[in-house]
Amino acid sequence: AQSVAQPEDQVNVAEGNPLTVKCTYSVSGNPYLFWYVQYPNRGLQFLLKYITGDNLVKGSYGFEAEFNKSQTSFHLKKPSALVSDSALYFCAVRAYTGGFKTIFGAGTRLFVKA
Amino acid sequence: ETGVTQSPTHLIKTRGQQVTLRCSSQSGHNTVSWYQQALGQGPQFIFQYYREEENGRGNFPPRFSGLQFPNYSSELNVNALELDDSALYLCASSLVGREGLYNEQFFGPGTRLTVL
Repeated sequence: AQSVAQPEDQVNVAEGNPLTVKCTYSVSGNPYLFWYVQYPNRGLQFLLKYITGDNLVKGSYGFEAEFNKSQTSFHLKKPSALVSDSALYFCAVRAYTGGFKTIFGAGTRLFVKA
Repeated sequence: ETGVTQSPTHLIKTRGQQVTLRCSSQSGHNTVSWYQQALGQGPQFIFQYYREEENGRGNFPPRFSGLQFPNYSSELNVNALELDDSALYLCASSLVGREGLYNEQFFGPGTRLTVL
């Protein structure tokens, strides 16, 4: 069965420190992986995606993610966190199994403390 | 802003009623997906339409149905509403090729449905 797991409900980090938000997936075939962010009272916004190519992908607002096929992971990272990065982050995988599906993780709330 | 709009913003219905939610996709996008997001959870995929035909569906019963129109608008219809249908309903549009897998989605702000 296809699934996406975000093992941490919440991540706390001090401003200026590096951050990592974890995501693992299970999907048959090649995964197409995405990260989205949801700010309070705003819709989901696209951050970055992995389709093929380099395992390290760069996205919006200084975020990047590393695709690891052997560990079936796609962790979101940022070298230096900002208070304004505080939001709800979702990992998602799109795949085709007799029809197109997009599966989201449960989300990880990121708190960046000044 | 993503260019994707949804109406209404909020809606209150009673159990057993029917509801129609509307979405206007970003101009030029040929694919729209609908999601249900319960409080504190990630979006759950309902279905996807590509060029006015459903080409993917999640684990939702047939009382959840949809339409996509040539003018980039779409509808989500839910019949026989249940209390558990109370959630935020999101639509997302994208421009994808026939394979349908490659591009990111642009989300609308959602419709908050409350079923009493």
